Amino acid sequence: QLHLVESGGGVVQPGGSLRLSCAASGFSFIASGMNWVRQAPGKGLEWVAFIRYDGANKYFADSVKGRFTISRDNSRNTVDLQMNGLRPEDTAVYYCVKDGRWEGDFDYWGQGTLVTVSS
Amino acid sequence: DIQMTQSPSSLSASVGDRVTVTCRASQTINTYLNWYQQKPGKAPGLLISAASTLRSGVPSRFSGSGSGTEFTLTISSLQPEDSATYYCQQSYMTPWTFGQGTKVEIK
Repeated sequence: QLHLVESGGGVVQPGGSLRLSCAASGFSFIASGMNWVRQAPGKGLEWVAFIRYDGANKYFADSVKGRFTISRDNSRNTVDLQMNGLRPEDTAVYYCVKDGRWEGDFDYWGQGTLVTVSS
Repeated sequence: DIQMTQSPSSLSASVGDRVTVTCRASQTINTYLNWYQQKPGKAPGLLISAASTLRSGVPSRFSGSGSGTEFTLTISSLQPEDSATYYCQQSYMTPWTFGQGTKVEIK
């Protein structure tokens, strides 16, 4: 059974930092690209970041470039999203998402963790 | 960036109706087009990849078609459990982008 479990969400002040983590199980993590996708309250989906199976390639949405970083630990089957310089518009549910057969095909999603940026 | 535009934004249909959702890309994306279903309070789930490949376990009443810039998601006979928001998404190039969503309601 494939599982993606996010943790680390919470309330943070503007300009603050937060680190999200995703624990993966039930599939070959070392062979899978991983993503973070977010959804602001009542809004649509926005892809945030990608990391290749070996960590060699990383891509980011323009809206978070320079503020967010993505990393993975293939020995622990985890992928992290470090979020710095948080803004109110970063408030969203953040989903950990596994790539399918191709990069950008989001075939399994975690349940999400809520990040609220507010003073 | 590639802009994805869905229509309609919402629709209401009866059980058994045929429902079609359209997705247009701002430039050609071949068949790098996926469809997702999201129910309230839940994470999205992949329905269709590569424009027309039904994911294993997805009911056969769902189908997808199209290539280039215009795509459709069809539900051949709407069921009560299909009430959800549907999103298209291009995987042709980063940044991978989604349509704004189509909310399907049951009359």
